[in-house]
Amino acid sequence: AQSVAQPEDQVNVAEGNPLTVKCTYSVSGNPYLFWYVQYPNRGLQFLLKYITGDNLVKGSYGFEAEFNKSQTSFHLKKPSALVSDSALYFCAVRDHLNDYKLSFGAGTTVTVRA
Amino acid sequence: DTGVSQDPRHKITKRGQNVTFRCDPISEHNRLYWYRQTLGQGPEFLTYFQNEAQLEKSRLLSDRFSAERPKGSFSTLEIQRTEQGDSAMYLCASSSRGQGTEAFFGQGTRLTVV
Repeated sequence: AQSVAQPEDQVNVAEGNPLTVKCTYSVSGNPYLFWYVQYPNRGLQFLLKYITGDNLVKGSYGFEAEFNKSQTSFHLKKPSALVSDSALYFCAVRDHLNDYKLSFGAGTTVTVRA
Repeated sequence: DTGVSQDPRHKITKRGQNVTFRCDPISEHNRLYWYRQTLGQGPEFLTYFQNEAQLEKSRLLSDRFSAERPKGSFSTLEIQRTEQGDSAMYLCASSSRGQGTEAFFGQGTRLTVV
């Protein structure tokens, strides 16, 4: 079975400060890891993914994520947050053996204050 | 717009009625997925198609739910004899085949059963 945990329901940061959204995962094989963002009344937008290779992955809108196999983590980061980054963020994992089914975390609401 | 489109965006129905949702995937994608998202939760996998073949169904998909993808293009999700517990956001996504490919999501259909 595969699963994702996002330990923080909410993250609050001031604009211009670094933003980190935490994610840990559990899969039986090698993971494919994804971050999505959801704005109110909108679908999920893809931000970035880790498949293999470099542990630091860069994605859209200045976001990056670091894959840590020993800690089974895939934390999302942004060096300088913007008010427009306020949204709901989901981490998701897919097992390379069952490469169709995404398992999502419960989501983390990010609020960036001006 | 070449993204995933879903219709309708909102549906209010009385308990016991049947409803049908439509999803048009990105045209070159041969994989199509349905997910369900309830308030405060991440999306949960329901089913997926590769071309016209439905290859996997979640245990969440009771006998009242049926999905089709005729000719491997658009897909429909039908819920018969709706119950209040069916109230949720129903998300459709598509992707190309290949390990590690990301799924692109539509804006969802919000179902309210009264």
